[in-house]
Amino acid sequence: TQLLEQSPQFLSIQEGENLTVYCNSSSVFSSLQWYRQEPGEGPVLLVTVVTGGEVKKLKRLTFQFGDARKDSSLHITAAQPGDTGLYLCAGWEKFNKFYFGSGTKLNVKP
Amino acid sequence: ETGVTQTPRHLVMGMTNKKSLKCEQHLGHNAMYWYKQSAKKPLELMFVYNFKEQTENNSVPSRFSPECPNSSHLFLHLHTLQPEDSALYLCASSQVTPSHIAGNEQFFGPGTRLTVL
Repeated sequence: TQLLEQSPQFLSIQEGENLTVYCNSSSVFSSLQWYRQEPGEGPVLLVTVVTGGEVKKLKRLTFQFGDARKDSSLHITAAQPGDTGLYLCAGWEKFNKFYFGSGTKLNVKP
Repeated sequence: ETGVTQTPRHLVMGMTNKKSLKCEQHLGHNAMYWYKQSAKKPLELMFVYNFKEQTENNSVPSRFSPECPNSSHLFLHLHTLQPEDSALYLCASSQVTPSHIAGNEQFFGPGTRLTVL
């Protein structure tokens, strides 16, 4: 079992649809990050959330950190083919160990 | 271009071969990392170096041997690997190790796709 579980594992949607990806844990995290990885490349950081209940917006992407700092979500509005990729959450667990989530593979069809 | 380069991009090796993966960062960072990414598992942290000193080894088999001669270069020496070691090996760097500063960003290289026959 992974310390950070992401759902869904795979998501295939049409351009223009909205979607939400979840990152859940039974442990408390001091902060969480979201990365996107495109084929043939390494992950690239999208955002870091550090305060329970925090919401951050990055254009069409909205990130939320749960009040208890055990979960996070990524919402994409009006998805575009350029959003296609592997989305990974990652974070620092309370004992200062760093973990990556299980990943969500998103495919946005034109 | 993230400022982290990895060579080679692809590597095919037999189980008895010895090979090395190279990573170089041009960002002036002090911490470097090796990760393994396979189809079955998410990113698995293998080794962490902070100011050239190894600070973390996540129970990695001894057939993987890291080397960090300076803060800009990181190597992963491979010998007598198994087919299950086939994966994408990613190198990353950050200003300092994550345990020191929450929210510290890691910059990843494009990875080396390793196939062990």
